[in-house]
Amino acid sequence: DTEVTQTPKHLVMGMTNKKSLKCEQHMGHRAMYWYKQKAKKPPELMFVYSYEKLSINESVPSRFSPECPNSSLLNLHLHALQPEDSALYLCASSQEAGSYQPQHFGDGTRLSIL
Amino acid sequence: GQNIDQPTEMTATEGAIVQINCTYQTSGFNGLFWYQQHAGEAPTFLSYNVLDGLEEKGRFSSFLSRSKGYSYLLLKELQMKDSASYLCAVPNTGFQKLVFGTGTRLLVSP
Repeated sequence: DTEVTQTPKHLVMGMTNKKSLKCEQHMGHRAMYWYKQKAKKPPELMFVYSYEKLSINESVPSRFSPECPNSSLLNLHLHALQPEDSALYLCASSQEAGSYQPQHFGDGTRLSIL
Repeated sequence: GQNIDQPTEMTATEGAIVQINCTYQTSGFNGLFWYQQHAGEAPTFLSYNVLDGLEEKGRFSSFLSRSKGYSYLLLKELQMKDSASYLCAVPNTGFQKLVFGTGTRLLVSP
């Protein structure tokens, strides 16, 4: 069991749908991250939130929209996705934003775009 | 930028010892992480090395040589459950984020 909880575990959606991925942690961490991972590839950073403010956007297309309602929650809103967006989406958190901090990952949401 | 190299795949036998190497090039250095990821699961933190030398944690040890840009993860008394991908990661130039290597898939056979 991980201390970072992601829902849903699986999501299938059409290209015109709107859906949201959710992530929650109760470790008191102030940094939260979204990663995208394709099969047999390492995780690729998408967004970093530090103290509920967006600090890094890795030039992610606008069809992905992150939101951090409070220090425990992180959402990723999806709209008009493409088939190549099918991947495992991982949420992570760390004590503070900073590359020396170990990150704790959730189990991910496996997303399939039809 | 960063360049991280790891072997793509390794195989080993249950009970054996295996060493997974990672070489990196980075303009600054602020530590190196190892993560384990089982298929379909979350990466889990294994170790963080910032100083040269060997750090041991039970069956797993991690070594760092900053002058050589080299690290390895040593797994002893291999168990079937150690079959997983092992990811080496270093901070980017601005120390704002982690950059992961491509990962090494380890297969442990009976």
